[in-house]
Amino acid sequence: AQKITQTQPGMFVQEKEAVTLDCTYDTSDQSYGLFWYKQPSSGEMIFLIYQGSYDEQNATEGRYSLNFQKARKSANLVISASQLGDSAMYFCAMRGRSGNTDKLIFGTGTRLQVFP
Amino acid sequence: ETGVTQTPRHLVMGMTNKKSLKCEQHLGHNAMYWYKQSAKKPLELMFVYNFKEQTENNSVPSRFSPECPNSSHLFLHLHTLQPEDSALYLCASSQGLAGPERETDTQYFGPGTRLTVL
Repeated sequence: AQKITQTQPGMFVQEKEAVTLDCTYDTSDQSYGLFWYKQPSSGEMIFLIYQGSYDEQNATEGRYSLNFQKARKSANLVISASQLGDSAMYFCAMRGRSGNTDKLIFGTGTRLQVFP
Repeated sequence: ETGVTQTPRHLVMGMTNKKSLKCEQHLGHNAMYWYKQSAKKPLELMFVYNFKEQTENNSVPSRFSPECPNSSHLFLHLHTLQPEDSALYLCASSQGLAGPERETDTQYFGPGTRLTVL
């Protein structure tokens, strides 16, 4: 069965520091996609970054980068130079197959708090 | 308007009321989704529409009735809800890619409707 695990319910980081949010996944698919979303207290789920299973390089989008280690089945999000506005819930997700349907399978999330 | 919009943003309803949630996407996508997010639970997929056809009903109770009149609009009709249905309801859209490209099919979400059932 497809599964996403985020083991950190909460993380604290000081402004301007880097932080890594952990994500491990389980799948028997040969080809899959991994996504990270940010959810501020307002509720909207904001797409941050995507990593394909066959991508040889780690994905980067501005201050976000994805540390993809395929053999370990991990896809950690690294946020560099944290800002106060980065305080939010962060969800790791995987495009996986459940039965005959492709689904986006989400982890339980990590709440990141950035302090001055 | 850009991206994915949802109305209303907040809704309080009694168990005997009938209401509807509306979602509109301005991204030219072909697939639309309804999700339910309850406190301390993972995001739950409810319904999927691809090119206006329902392709997924994730064992959702019949008191939730989706409608997708075209690829840009998605509704969720609510009737005789229960207090445990109180949650954030998120709409999303994606290109609806199939085949080898399906892994890259990124979903973009709206701001959600926070529903309280009294």
